Amino acid sequence: GAGVSQSPSNKVTEKGKDVELRCDPISGHTALYWYRQSLGQGLEFLIYFQGNSAPDKSGLPSDRFSAERTGGSVSTLTIQRTQQEDSAVYLCASSLARTERDEQFFGPGTRLTVL
Amino acid sequence: QKEVEQNSGPLSVPEGAIASLNCTYSDRGSQSFFWYRQYSGKSPELIMSIYSNGDKEDGRFTAQLNKASQYVSLLIRDSQPSDSATYLCAVPTGTASKLTFGTGTRLQVTL
Repeated sequence: GAGVSQSPSNKVTEKGKDVELRCDPISGHTALYWYRQSLGQGLEFLIYFQGNSAPDKSGLPSDRFSAERTGGSVSTLTIQRTQQEDSAVYLCASSLARTERDEQFFGPGTRLTVL
Repeated sequence: QKEVEQNSGPLSVPEGAIASLNCTYSDRGSQSFFWYRQYSGKSPELIMSIYSNGDKEDGRFTAQLNKASQYVSLLIRDSQPSDSATYLCAVPTGTASKLTFGTGTRLQVTL
């Protein structure tokens, strides 16, 4: 079956512009996670959605970052007024999330470059 | 102390040898552990999960868990050049089961 898909695969933007990154999870997976991977910071959690529950936003680095998940499926991560330090690979993962044993599967990522 | 620690490497092993990758974690209550492989420029790919003390084998891969020592390892037997990648150890944390990753160990399998 289809895995997690993300778009765009690459995004180059100018400092100060807004960007939207999209994630389509594996069908049937109720949990969706956004992570960021950058040089020097490793792979870090950003935000988590589970069904209709309020999202866990504890990893968002600033109020310029927001995310939504419509209809319990597709998610969009929005970064407003981008800064050069936002340059990173943004990864989406999904899981069944019944227990902590449920495995998370990653999409191919979106490489964001802020000039 | 970082929550999940790994040696960054590179760990260099000859083709056909056993590669041993190690990971320690700080939360004694952790119950699940995952190993991901990440090729350069690609996203992490899940290769092993382990939940109970002892060994779990899958093909050339063996995960080992020792909860008393808060230690989890990944052994790769008969290492191949295609195994050259960064291996990430990940532990779910918090009620959201968000993964906390180690910094990864870069493995180089030489001919």
